Amino acid sequence: GQNIDQPTEMTATEGAIVQINCTYQTSGFNGLFWYQQHAGEAPTFLSYNVLDGLEEKGRFSSFLSRSKGYSYLLLKELQMKDSASYLCAVRVVPLSGGYNKLIFGAGTRLAVHP
Amino acid sequence: NAGVTQTPKFRVLKTGQSMTLLCAQDMNHEYMYWYRQDPGMGLRLIHYSVGEGTTAKGEVPDGYNVSRLKKQNFLLGLESAAPSQTSVYFCASTTPGLAPFKPDTQYFGPGTRLTVL
Repeated sequence: GQNIDQPTEMTATEGAIVQINCTYQTSGFNGLFWYQQHAGEAPTFLSYNVLDGLEEKGRFSSFLSRSKGYSYLLLKELQMKDSASYLCAVRVVPLSGGYNKLIFGAGTRLAVHP
Repeated sequence: NAGVTQTPKFRVLKTGQSMTLLCAQDMNHEYMYWYRQDPGMGLRLIHYSVGEGTTAKGEVPDGYNVSRLKKQNFLLGLESAAPSQTSVYFCASTTPGLAPFKPDTQYFGPGTRLTVL
């Protein structure tokens, strides 16, 4: 089966750094996405990894290790507006053929406190 | 550009009633998706379409039907609503592009909150 695990909730302080982990067991791995979702809103794209290593985009970085089935999202210089859910999603290619699909984790709810 | 829009934003149904959710995108995307999001669970794929006139089942298709008569529209139908279908429904669209080396980012609509009593 396909399984993606993330912590349910995390808290952090404004200005700090937080790391949100994601582990996955999937067949047909073909890329990993991170999305941000504020309460009551749509998910929006944050970051993408398909090869091992670190991708940096401003205050956000994402890391992937395909051999370990592991990714993390690093948020630096936390701001109050970063309080949101962070969704890890794996693109999988069906082994029996067909089209790519995204499998989502349940999301990590991050609360940033002053 | 409006991006991805969904109609309606909120709806309350009684068990057994039917309804259609409309998704529209103005980005000329080939692929469109319907997801549901429930507390404590990730977004789960209901149905998807890889082009006008095509549809396919996702993870949780039972109780839903879809149609893609025009490229820009993707309709999700509930023929006989059940309380288990109470959820937030998101539509998304993308174009395959240069995946996997470039992200085929899915763009999401604002969601429809459906309650079935």
